[in-house]
Amino acid sequence: GAVVSQHPSWVICKSGTSVKIECRSLDFQATTMFWYRQFPKQSLMLMATSNEGSKATYEQGVEKDKFLINHASLTLSTLTVTSAHPEDSSFYICSATAGGWETQYFGPGTRLLVL
Amino acid sequence: GENVEQHPSTLSVQEGDSAVIKCTYSDSASNYFPWYKQELGKRPQLIIDIRSNVGEKKDQRIAVTLNKTAKHFSLHITETQPEDSAVYFCAASTGGYQKVTFGTGTKLQVIP
Repeated sequence: GAVVSQHPSWVICKSGTSVKIECRSLDFQATTMFWYRQFPKQSLMLMATSNEGSKATYEQGVEKDKFLINHASLTLSTLTVTSAHPEDSSFYICSATAGGWETQYFGPGTRLLVL
Repeated sequence: GENVEQHPSTLSVQEGDSAVIKCTYSDSASNYFPWYKQELGKRPQLIIDIRSNVGEKKDQRIAVTLNKTAKHFSLHITETQPEDSAVYFCAASTGGYQKVTFGTGTKLQVIP
């Protein structure tokens, strides 16, 4: 149980385009989802916390107009990187929790390369 | 906010030896401490966790200890195997739906 999927796993795009990443909880309802960014050889940096049906809470320094998060259902959250630039190239990982669980279950990640 | 420090950043051990990774946290309200293992290019996988009402927890070759007074917690891996080689992250949270703050990671290499 507690499986989280992410799509796509790889995306290459041109600078200035927008990219949408989906995060799904497959066998449970995710009350809360988290979006992280991980640069090579670095730790996971929390970008935002997403609660179903409400606006996401962004961490300090993360531009909410650039990283749009939507958590429209208990099984799906999306992250859209708008007007992507090469510095946005990174490994984006989502995680999900449910019903008072503290444990976060991670998706497989999406590797974004902006040319 | 919470700050989690992790040491060492890299650790090499011979197969069969033990490995210890140490973390400290700053927020006394933190009460949930998970440890994740991340292999290259893969998702972090929870390997063990501990809550603040417990001082030690063990699962086969893996154990975690927590000292709330000192705000320290540690991961112990005994009888290391090459497949234990990965990056390990400690983390701290105030529990429930609250965000988890990760340490900087320890790259463990087990030498056959």
